[in-house]
Amino acid sequence: DAKTTQPPSMDCAEGRAANLPCNHSTISGNEYVYWYRQIHSQGPQYIIHGLKNNETNEMASLIITEDRKSSTLILPHATLRDTAVYYCIVIYNQGGKLIFGQGTELSVKP
Amino acid sequence: GAVVSQHPSWVICKSGTSVKIECRSLDFQATTMFWYRQFPKQSLMLMATSNEGSKATYEQGVEKDKFLINHASLTLSTLTVTSAHPEDSSFYICSAWTGGGYGYTFGSGTRLTVV
Repeated sequence: DAKTTQPPSMDCAEGRAANLPCNHSTISGNEYVYWYRQIHSQGPQYIIHGLKNNETNEMASLIITEDRKSSTLILPHATLRDTAVYYCIVIYNQGGKLIFGQGTELSVKP
Repeated sequence: GAVVSQHPSWVICKSGTSVKIECRSLDFQATTMFWYRQFPKQSLMLMATSNEGSKATYEQGVEKDKFLINHASLTLSTLTVTSAHPEDSSFYICSAWTGGGYGYTFGSGTRLTVV
């Protein structure tokens, strides 16, 4: 599975959009991009995933560049409860092992 | 969405004793479950893949005799930390693949403290 690179930390003002980047320059055509987040001392929570097209659900939007070498997770109106570590993971075999990188620690501030 | 129930949420045990952690898939069948360990300020580290009805597959560097995994049914996987020592103190998390809609679902984690 392709490796990902994320900034270690980011800040965001409450109510503003949080844009979390992820670089996966070695991604192959059949690899999916998954985003999870982990609030302190809890299990990771699924946010969104995509293959080629942009995706949106009730939690967030996922923007994947045309060459698929990077993506951005967008939380449209960040709240204090969105403070967490966000993990971008690329996986070929859905249902297979999910390997976590270091993620981005997002701090949403009043 | 699919739920994975993990128990206990936290446990304190004496050094040398064994501790069992359970993970149940509540509304779906999980032929495969994954077990992770997480130390403070670090990311999740995959320990092993639990397969229903067969032996678990351990990641490199994980002692299979110390971390016993049993996946006896399609809804239950257990991790037993045998002869626990203070260095085994950690946050243990299980997960299962639920299908395309939600990807992987994770348990709420177990905080193990060995004293």
